[in-house]
Formats: sequence, C-alpha cells, structure tokens
Amino acid sequence: EPEVTQTPSHQVTQMGQEVILRCVPISNHLYFYWYRQILGQKVEFLVSFYNNEISEKSEIFDDQFSVERPDGSNFTLKIRSTKLEDSAMYFCATIGTFYNEQFFGPGTRLTVL
Amino acid sequence: AQSVSQHNHHVILSEAASLELGCNYSYGGTVNLFWYVQYPGQHLQLLLKYFSGDPLVKGIKGFEAEFIKSKFSFNLRKPSVQWSDTAEYFCAVNEDNAGNMLTFGGGTTLMVKP
Repeated sequence: EPEVTQTPSHQVTQMGQEVILRCVPISNHLYFYWYRQILGQKVEFLVSFYNNEISEKSEIFDDQFSVERPDGSNFTLKIRSTKLEDSAMYFCATIGTFYNEQFFGPGTRLTVL
Repeated sequence: AQSVSQHNHHVILSEAASLELGCNYSYGGTVNLFWYVQYPGQHLQLLLKYFSGDPLVKGIKGFEAEFIKSKFSFNLRKPSVQWSDTAEYFCAVNEDNAGNMLTFGGGTTLMVKP
C-alpha cells in the first residue's frame, strides 16, 4: 500500500536556526497539508497546498513558515528562524482527489533547544 | 471557528469490553467527519469517515460511528475491544465549504488490558 514518507524522523536544532522538513507524497496525490502537534496538545492545521500554491493557512503559519514543492516530488516545510515553541511533531498529509481521506506521514519530531 | 471535543481523554478497558468514545463538534453547517487511530510508534490511520448518506458508518477493524446531526456528535463504537486496539484515537471534522483542512479533537488514549 502506498505511503506518505517524511524525513527526518527527528530533528534537533538550536533556536534561531532554519529547518526544512521533507515529505514525499503518494505519487498521484495532488493536495498536500502540514499539521503539527505540540506535546500534549491537539493536532493543528498549518497549511494546505495545491497546484504549487498555498490554498489555505492557519494563524500559526506566519512569515517564519514557508512551503514549496521544489522538484515535483518532495513537499517541504521550512521554518526560517526556529523558536522554542516550534518544538512539536509535524505531520504531512496528502489526498488524491478533493473530498477524500487524508493519508498521513509518520511525522517529524522537531526539538528546538 | 470550528472546534472538536473529545470528552474522554484516557480510557482503560478490559478485553471484550464495549467501547464508546465521544466526539462533538461546534459547526452548524455541513461537515465531513473522520476518526483516525494512531497505534504506538505509527502514523495516523483512517478508521472511518462520514460524508453523507447512512449516518451509521462502518470502518476497519470492527469499528463503527454514528453521526447524530441534532447532537453535533460522531461517537466511535466497538462492541468488543482487543488488546491490539490500544492506541490514541482522534476525531476530526472538515467543514464542507472550507477546503479539506481538518480540525482535530484532543484525542483519546485507549488502553486495553489483556
């Protein structure tokens, strides 16, 4: 069964550093999402991406965040200058057609020191 | 803004017990509803979903959920749990006119004692 993959599984970084989290979607999927889950809190929507554009974004997704699909396969989330409060699990999700289930990746645990 | 509540944060059951996990949402319009499960060390997997039609939906592994529009609820049930059902369960809602972004509940940790 095809799966969404994410790398790295765990990233440790110093506050103020840039990080890039990578997601490889299921091959024929067109809609991409990032969510995050701070330890002990809810899974929160960050951003959705379709046709090389951001479709929707939440209040969390401020100017420090960006997404792109640089090579037509990977879907990346960049945090320009990490803060302590960015420490969380970051999940990528993809769907093939609108109004369908989202397939989630295993997540990247980001720890900002 | 949409909100989703899961009232049971931690549930402990013995094998063969029946399970019901509550989920309530706040949006008054048309919604699509989901239950996801996250087994220890694994990613979120879809258990079942409701878009329209029969409000009683059946999912994988013997799970079912009932959409009660008047109660803004989508409770998850399983008549007889197994030790392998130990996991975290998330209810999620998508407003029909708000793209595909999911709003999640806080999750319920289920522990099934053998």
